[in-house]
Amino acid sequence: NAGVIQTPRHKVTGKGQEATLWCEPISGHSAVFWYRQTIVQGLEFLTYFRNQAPIDDSGMPKERFSAQMPNQSHSTLKIQSTQPQDSAVYLCASSLTGVSAETLYFGSGTRLTVL
Amino acid sequence: GDSVTQTEGPVTVSESESLIINCTYSATSIAYPNLFWYVRYPGEGLQLLLKVITAGQKGSSRGFEATYNKETTSFHLQKASVQESDSAVYYCAPMNYNQGKLIFGQGTKLSIKP
Repeated sequence: NAGVIQTPRHKVTGKGQEATLWCEPISGHSAVFWYRQTIVQGLEFLTYFRNQAPIDDSGMPKERFSAQMPNQSHSTLKIQSTQPQDSAVYLCASSLTGVSAETLYFGSGTRLTVL
Repeated sequence: GDSVTQTEGPVTVSESESLIINCTYSATSIAYPNLFWYVRYPGEGLQLLLKVITAGQKGSSRGFEATYNKETTSFHLQKASVQESDSAVYYCAPMNYNQGKLIFGQGTKLSIKP
């Protein structure tokens, strides 16, 4: 079991550029979660999908951020016109069905640096 | 955020000493939660340490214990005798009963003195 796979591990962008982060959930898991971690804010929930459908995007910044899950094997988080304050470690997690009480399994994260 | 409050770190404990990391959650914003402790060891990813889904029950793993106290809305993490390998960052993370997402506390960095 390869676990949750996130690519790239590190990404450096210039201010105003676009960044796309990829996540491959554990095979057989139908729920995918995105979190962001910074020193100041800690671990913040962004959004999650169940069976490819968006369930809760209450943590997503209203502008520039979008997430998709086009099939069961991957999800993407896209940040348009990146800003220095977007610099963070972005974590993806998956769980079996996305219902309550299930364990979330986390990837190693993508460290985004916006210059 | 304010929904989950845990012991502010960093915390340093001598090897073989006991440990408690406090965690309380807001019952007004997190209803009938399932309760989790996650841990990040140096150089590793975030992983589950233990979880409890029923009030009054205790979870345990790797010598750590935590009891789900609905009356005090708490889920404190305890260990009777810590080891150097317990050095890590510990996160308390409730999950609302009708949702699948975790709400994380700010994390507590624990260092063990040999």
